[in-house]
Amino acid sequence: NAGVTQTPKFQVLKTGQSMTLQCAQDMNHEYMSWYRQDPGMGLRLIHYSVGAGITDQGEVPNGYNVSRSTTEDFPLRLLSAAPSQTSVYFCASTRGGALGSYEQYFGPGTRLTVT
Amino acid sequence: AQTVTQSQPEMSVQEAETVTLSCTYDTSESDYYLFWYKQPPSRQMILVIRQEAYKQQNATENRFSVNFQKAAKSFSLKISDSQLGDAAMYFCAYLLTGANSKLTFGKGITLSVRP
Repeated sequence: NAGVTQTPKFQVLKTGQSMTLQCAQDMNHEYMSWYRQDPGMGLRLIHYSVGAGITDQGEVPNGYNVSRSTTEDFPLRLLSAAPSQTSVYFCASTRGGALGSYEQYFGPGTRLTVT
Repeated sequence: AQTVTQSQPEMSVQEAETVTLSCTYDTSESDYYLFWYKQPPSRQMILVIRQEAYKQQNATENRFSVNFQKAAKSFSLKISDSQLGDAAMYFCAYLLTGANSKLTFGKGITLSVRP
């Protein structure tokens, strides 16, 4: 099992450019999430999904879109990058519903810089 | 909304000594999970320990243990016999049972270990 994979690891964008951060998991987890990590802020939830075809907004969704067409993939799209979106982005997945579960498996992160 | 507070931004401990990292949270729910995550310089998020709110017994994992005070909404992490490899950022996190994708994180604490 590869677990949760994210690509790219690093990315530099110019203001106004768009891009997609890729996230994939091979554990057949129902639940997937995107977080951003900023200095002194911890991790904050951007969007999440409770299964294929179902997504919802987290704490800081503005400027980001997601979709979940398959169980495995949960891409995060930046529509028009802004310097305020400079951050480290983490994708996570978890198996839902099982008693004693709830552990989140995190990808390695993507460091995004918007100039 | 749930909040998680880690009031100490930095702590330091002598190798082989014991250190306690503090965390408080605010929730009106009774069924939830609490976690401590470690983030070393590699950036990878590593689960250290998990506590189910319905369990009165404090969780332990080798040198790591928690002091869970449900009424006081306190969840501290004790690291015994500190090792150089314990130096990292540590995040406390809350998960409402059933909201499997939605972790709420504290801002984190940077732990340094002195040789």
